[in-house]
Amino acid sequence: DTAVSQTPKYLVTQMGNDKSIKCEQNLGHDTMYWYKQDSKKFLKIMFSYNNKELIINETVPNRFSPKSPDKAHLNLHINSLELGDSAVYFCASSPKIGQGAGETQYFGPGTRLLVL
Amino acid sequence: GIQVEQSPPDLILQEGANSTLRCNFSDSVNNLQWFHQNPWGQLINLFYIPSGTKQNGRLSATTVATERYSLLYISSSQTTDSGVYFCAAITQGGSEKLVFGKGTKLTVNP
Repeated sequence: DTAVSQTPKYLVTQMGNDKSIKCEQNLGHDTMYWYKQDSKKFLKIMFSYNNKELIINETVPNRFSPKSPDKAHLNLHINSLELGDSAVYFCASSPKIGQGAGETQYFGPGTRLLVL
Repeated sequence: GIQVEQSPPDLILQEGANSTLRCNFSDSVNNLQWFHQNPWGQLINLFYIPSGTKQNGRLSATTVATERYSLLYISSSQTTDSGVYFCAAITQGGSEKLVFGKGTKLTVNP
């Protein structure tokens, strides 16, 4: 069974469209994340949710809206897609947050988004 | 925020060689992880190692938290070890943002 899964794996779309990427984890973790990996392979956090509540929101355009229907799911909706949004988007999860101990984050397989 | 720097940026080895990858971080950490991103783009957890030493087969890692660095050792490298190795850290007392280094691209030639 896949621990952290994302759909779709590949997404090719036109500029201006709206698209969503879904993420699910079956690890029973409380915290989920979205990361963006750009063309230079640099990975940076976008959002973090702890038990359906937004914890971290980096300086991401408000065209990006995460939604967490329950603690096992964290979806990413992107409005009015731009060329610069082309990247690989990774979802991740970890057992807990904010308790100072630090925990391993487990990553999904990534979604490769190409905006034409 | 915390800065994470990795060296070298690129490394080319012959199969069977050993290598050491380094990760320096600018602040005390309560989470340090090493990842391998394979040529297909998958991010694979290698180690969770905020301090101490761990070994897993041909790979081992050591973090010296007081001196703010971590090392990843790859012994008897294989072509399947090729890819990008990332170090990532979370600072103590800060938000739970995992901050990544820029990675070391490893190529192992047969």
